[in-house]
Amino acid sequence: EAQVTQNPRYLITVTGKKLTVTCSQNMNHEYMSWYRQDPGLGLRQIYYSMNVEVTDKGDVPEGYKVSRKEKRNFPLILESPSPNQTSLYFCASSLQGTRTKSYNEQFFGPGTRLTVL
Amino acid sequence: AQRVTQPEKLLSVFKGAPVELKCNYSYSGSPELFWYVQYSRQRLQLLLRHISRESIKGFTADLNKGETSFHLKKPFAQEEDSAMYYCALKIPNSNSGYALNFGKGTSLLVTP
Repeated sequence: EAQVTQNPRYLITVTGKKLTVTCSQNMNHEYMSWYRQDPGLGLRQIYYSMNVEVTDKGDVPEGYKVSRKEKRNFPLILESPSPNQTSLYFCASSLQGTRTKSYNEQFFGPGTRLTVL
Repeated sequence: AQRVTQPEKLLSVFKGAPVELKCNYSYSGSPELFWYVQYSRQRLQLLLRHISRESIKGFTADLNKGETSFHLKKPFAQEEDSAMYYCALKIPNSNSGYALNFGKGTSLLVTP
């Protein structure tokens, strides 16, 4: 089944303890992206990647890192999590990420609910 | 700044009534706009894209460049339409790629 998977789905951690949220897609998509969803603020883009080894900042990149060493995986890294990073995180992927091509639908993962105490 | 505005956080209508979810955008170029929907306990999914001029689940959205709007409409709301709706704008970046900017979302509640 074609899908985007995220792990873990739920995580409670403490301030300063490094964590990684994994994202994987099996659709051979070039474009992958991370969003956080907060009440009243909607979805905000953290980082995105147009292809392997090509990443760029979104609207709210502070406190996050990403890497794209292989096409299918796009992990989100919180080196030193803080309580303001408590949120619902979504990974998404789409076929192509170039501005000149027609937009391809973004497929979203199920979400990871992170609580930082 | 290029952004999307959804002025209503919550919209409540009766079943069978018309519904319009508002979306306004600010963009200096030719916009590409979309509506995404998130049903309860489900993933976010694409509902409409303006370039397709399609009708999905009875919903339509017309791009009005003069008013910089992309409102989502349905003539007769159904209970199963209750969900969170997000308007989104594709924004090209300097690296030949793009980012997707979402509005804050409107929660639609259709009551019997």
